[in-house]
Amino acid sequence: QKEVEQDPGPLSVPEGAIVSLNCTYSNSAFQYFMWYRQYSRKGPELLMYTYSSGNKEDGRFTAQVDKSSKYISLFIRDSQPSDSATYLCAMRRNAGNNRKLIWGLGTSLAVNP
Amino acid sequence: SQTIHQWPATLVQPVGSPLSLECTVEGTSNPNLYWYRQAAGRGLQLLFYSVGIGQISSEVPQNLSASRPQDRQFILSSKKLLLSDSGFYLCAWSTPLGEQYFGPGTRLTVT
Repeated sequence: QKEVEQDPGPLSVPEGAIVSLNCTYSNSAFQYFMWYRQYSRKGPELLMYTYSSGNKEDGRFTAQVDKSSKYISLFIRDSQPSDSATYLCAMRRNAGNNRKLIWGLGTSLAVNP
Repeated sequence: SQTIHQWPATLVQPVGSPLSLECTVEGTSNPNLYWYRQAAGRGLQLLFYSVGIGQISSEVPQNLSASRPQDRQFILSSKKLLLSDSGFYLCAWSTPLGEQYFGPGTRLTVT
C-alpha cells in the first residue's frame, strides 16, 4: 500500500462547478500537508499549505485536513477553464532535517467552458 | 524574493552520452535542494536531496549522480545515459517549514 493515495482521474467538470480533490494517507505521523497545481510541461506550483487538522481558505481554494480519518481535500469554488491542470497532494512528518515530501500521483482536472 | 533556475529547458541526447543538468537558487541561503524525475503520466520520484554543500543523499539506485559545489547550485549528472533516463527533471528548494518550490524543469529525451 502506498503511503499516499490519490485518484488519478481524469475529472471533468463544467465551468462554475465546485471541485473536490482528495488524498488519503496511512502514516499518522504526517503533520504538514500541501496541494500543488501542475500545468502541462511546467513545474508544480504550491497552492495551499496547512499544518495539522482544520481548514484553510485562499480565494476560491479551500484546503481541509482530517487527521482522524487520514484524509485531506482541496475544494475549488467557481471553477474556471484556467484551473485545468494536474493537482498533486504532498505531506511530511514533523521530524527530520531533510524535509522530504511524500507525494500523491496527482489528479488530472479538466474544466470545460 | 526567491527564484529557481534550471537549464536547459529541453534536451535530446543519444544513449551512452553524458548528462549535466544545472539548478541554481537566488534569494535564499543554505536551502535544502531536491532533484525529482517525473515520467509521463506519473508522479514525482525523488532522486537526490541535499541539506548543505557537498552533502548528497540518494533515494534510489540508478544511473545518475548529484553534486552541490556551491550553496545555491545543484547539479544532476550521468556518465552514460540509458533510454530509461528519459523524463521531466525538476529541481526544488524548500523553506524551513518544508514547503517546496520548483523550477521550470528540463525535459530529457534519450534516443
